[in-house]
Amino acid sequence: QKEVEQDPGPLSVPEGAIVSLNCTYSNSAFQYFMWYRQYSRKGPELLMYTYSSGNKEDGRFTAQVDKSSKYISLFIRDSQPSDSATYLCAMDTSGTYKYIFGTGTRLKVLA
Amino acid sequence: DTGVSQDPRHKITKRGQNVTFRCDPISEHNRLYWYRQTLGQGPEFLTYFQNEAQLEKSRLLSDRFSAERPKGSFSTLEIQRTEQGDSAMYLCASGFVDSPLHFGNGTRLTVT
Repeated sequence: QKEVEQDPGPLSVPEGAIVSLNCTYSNSAFQYFMWYRQYSRKGPELLMYTYSSGNKEDGRFTAQVDKSSKYISLFIRDSQPSDSATYLCAMDTSGTYKYIFGTGTRLKVLA
Repeated sequence: DTGVSQDPRHKITKRGQNVTFRCDPISEHNRLYWYRQTLGQGPEFLTYFQNEAQLEKSRLLSDRFSAERPKGSFSTLEIQRTEQGDSAMYLCASGFVDSPLHFGNGTRLTVT
């Protein structure tokens, strides 16, 4: 079993939809939770960074962490075709930044 | 903030050749990381530096791989005697303590 599980998709949604992306994990020591967006042939771009449990909002993006369920989510409101990319979750135990990444979910937002 | 810069963007080499990649981190960041990403997978940690000191290497980093960060600025990653299994995207990232990592756009290595 991988430490971090993420559905690879692809996930196709119409423009304007609310998108929900999720990761589950097995290591209860994870404390730092990140979401990155990666366009084809580009590096990962940081979207959200959360320490421990709770919610964090930034514009159209909301990140949720539920440590009791070992489950994290990224919500994208009013999705746009430009949001079409692969979304990677990443986790870290102690701030050393040896991140454990999920495999990424491919998202397609249809105009 | 010009971001993390990596060079070259794409390298094609024949099996058995040596290759070297360069990473220029965001200037004020003292931590620098190398990750490897294969198709359909998330990045995997290879090694990291705090200033010029290489603090940890993953078991993924065989003896054919070596990384340096002279003077705590740019970093190089060298792969000797390349194998087809080395074909991947090599990503560099930098950051401060207590801040998340920022990645470059990677060097895509193709070993033929």
